[in-house]
Amino acid sequence: GIQVEQSPPDLILQEGANSTLRCNFSDSVNNLQWFHQNPWGQLINLFYIPSGTKQNGRLSATTVATERYSLLYISSSQTTDSGVYFCAVGLNNQGGKLIFGQGTELSVKP
Amino acid sequence: DVKVTQSSRYLVKRTGEKVFLECVQDMDHENMFWYRQDPGLGLRLIYFSYDVKMKEKGDIPEGYSVSREKKERFSLILESASTNQTSMYLCASSESGAKETDTQYFGPGTRLTVL
Repeated sequence: GIQVEQSPPDLILQEGANSTLRCNFSDSVNNLQWFHQNPWGQLINLFYIPSGTKQNGRLSATTVATERYSLLYISSSQTTDSGVYFCAVGLNNQGGKLIFGQGTELSVKP
Repeated sequence: DVKVTQSSRYLVKRTGEKVFLECVQDMDHENMFWYRQDPGLGLRLIYFSYDVKMKEKGDIPEGYSVSREKKERFSLILESASTNQTSMYLCASSESGAKETDTQYFGPGTRLTVL
């Protein structure tokens, strides 16, 4: 099956700093999503981005499907950005099934 | 606003008990999913359903079963709970189709402890 690897596994930032999270996947996909899990466990979808670039406020994401990786950029980080960021991939002929990476745990210090 | 709810936030059960975890979505989504999340292992898919009364095994279905009698409700059943099923259980739903509507929406999670 498809393997998903995220890096780095952990990241500590000072408030205001920028960061880049990476997601590598082992096979062609046509579904890729980024999620943020807050410290209370709630997962929120950030981006649906099987290819191309999207931006939402201080967050942006780029997926280069031909090279099998995706990047999530966080600019001017805030303490509320803390939590775990997951990348998940899938094939759209599999009923929307996603395979998750193990996540990047981000801690933003004031 | 999109909403996925789960029946309990925290649950404590004894070994051998039958456990029901309920998930309800109000978005008329076709697809529903059950995951478990354990430290260091990320989210792993237990079962999913792409239509009423339809179900597919995920990556770790052993020890679990599911039921989807109505479109909005997807139940996860632990037939005989064991201590290795202590975990966070997350339900999600998505609309069907090969487009942006495949976005998955998650419930708040149920933290299950089996003693």
